[in-house]
Amino acid sequence: GAVVSQHPSRVICKSGTSVKIECRSLDFQATTMFWYRQFPKKSLMLMATSNEGSKATYEQGVEKDKFLINHASLTLSTLTVTSAHPEDSSFYICSAIQGRSQPQHFGDGTRLSIL
Amino acid sequence: SQKIEQNSEALNIQEGKTATLTCNYTNYSPAYLQWYRQDPGRGPVFLLLIRENEKEKRKERLKVTFDTTLKQSLFHITASQPADSATYLCALFNNNDMRFGAGTRLTVKP
Repeated sequence: GAVVSQHPSRVICKSGTSVKIECRSLDFQATTMFWYRQFPKKSLMLMATSNEGSKATYEQGVEKDKFLINHASLTLSTLTVTSAHPEDSSFYICSAIQGRSQPQHFGDGTRLSIL
Repeated sequence: SQKIEQNSEALNIQEGKTATLTCNYTNYSPAYLQWYRQDPGRGPVFLLLIRENEKEKRKERLKVTFDTTLKQSLFHITASQPADSATYLCALFNNNDMRFGAGTRLTVKP
């Protein structure tokens, strides 16, 4: 149980393109979803926390207009990287929890490469 | 500032031995601590959770300890196998704030 599906797994696109990444909880309702960015051999860096039906809470230094998060339902959150540039290339991972203080269930990540 | 340190970036051990990974933290009072496993190109997978009032937790070959005085958690894998090779992350949670360590890459050699 507690499966989180993230799609797509890999994206390669040109600079200036906007890219949407989906995160779905398949067999549970997620009260909260998280979006992380991970650099090679580095820790997960929390970008934002999203609760269904409300605006996402962004971490300091993360541009809200650059990384648009929509949490339309209890099973789906999307991250849109707008007008992506090469420096946005990274591994983006989402996670979801069923309730406060519960373990996070992670998707398998999206490798984003901007040319 | 809050800091989470995992003892080493990489740890190599021989199959059958016990692997011990360390997670130290400063300027933080976690309500609980979690350990995750991450394989290359994949998302982390939850392994164990231990609360601040618990000293030790076990699950099959895994054991976690939590010492709030030392501000340290130890993660043990007994009778290690090559399949245990992965990066292990500790994560601390308090008041809706969760922070991850950078991870320790464990390699178990046959």
